[in-house]
Amino acid sequence: NAGVTQTPKFRILKIGQSMTLQCTQDMNHNYMYWYRQDPGMGLKLIYYSVGAGITDKGEVPNGYNVSRSTTEDFPLRLELAAPSQTSVYFCASSYTGGGTEAFFGQGTRLTVV
Amino acid sequence: GESVGLHLPTLSVQEGDNSIINCAYSNSASDYFIWYKQESGKGPQFIIDIRSNMDKRQGQRVTVLLNKTVKHLSLQIAATQPGDSAVYFCAENIRGGADGLTFGKGTHLIIQP
Repeated sequence: NAGVTQTPKFRILKIGQSMTLQCTQDMNHNYMYWYRQDPGMGLKLIYYSVGAGITDKGEVPNGYNVSRSTTEDFPLRLELAAPSQTSVYFCASSYTGGGTEAFFGQGTRLTVV
Repeated sequence: GESVGLHLPTLSVQEGDNSIINCAYSNSASDYFIWYKQESGKGPQFIIDIRSNMDKRQGQRVTVLLNKTVKHLSLQIAATQPGDSAVYFCAENIRGGADGLTFGKGTHLIIQP
């Protein structure tokens, strides 16, 4: 099994540009999450989804959007990139909501210049 | 502020010694705790978890202790090996909430030969 796959691994954006971070999982998990990790810090929740068609905001949702049209995919959209969005982004999935371990992707390192 | 935090940002231990990584949490409603290991350039990897109805759980070379009275969590790694070098995060979930885990800042475990 591939688990949770994120693309791209690295990206440099100019201020004001847009991009979509892709995330797909093959474990048939209903719950999916997007986190960001700033240097020397823990992970902060951006958005989460409890199933296809359902998304909700996490702790730091401003500047981001998500969609969940299928169980497998949970893309994260940055509409107008800002330097404050420079971070490492992790997608995760879990079988249940918070009560079981979450499986993480390898991360996307994003730099906004 | 963060509900989950760590006492020490860096822990240096001799190879072969036991390591103890500590974590404090402030939300008494938290009922599920999990330890993740994050190696450089990789996503967090599950180590061990524990529910609030337990005070100890053992895995392979790892033990998690939970003291609900003082809201303290610890991860013990026996016979530390070079491959244990990583940042360790504790995370919590509040009563099976769907919105994922709240992470602490992490402790960097350094293994000295």
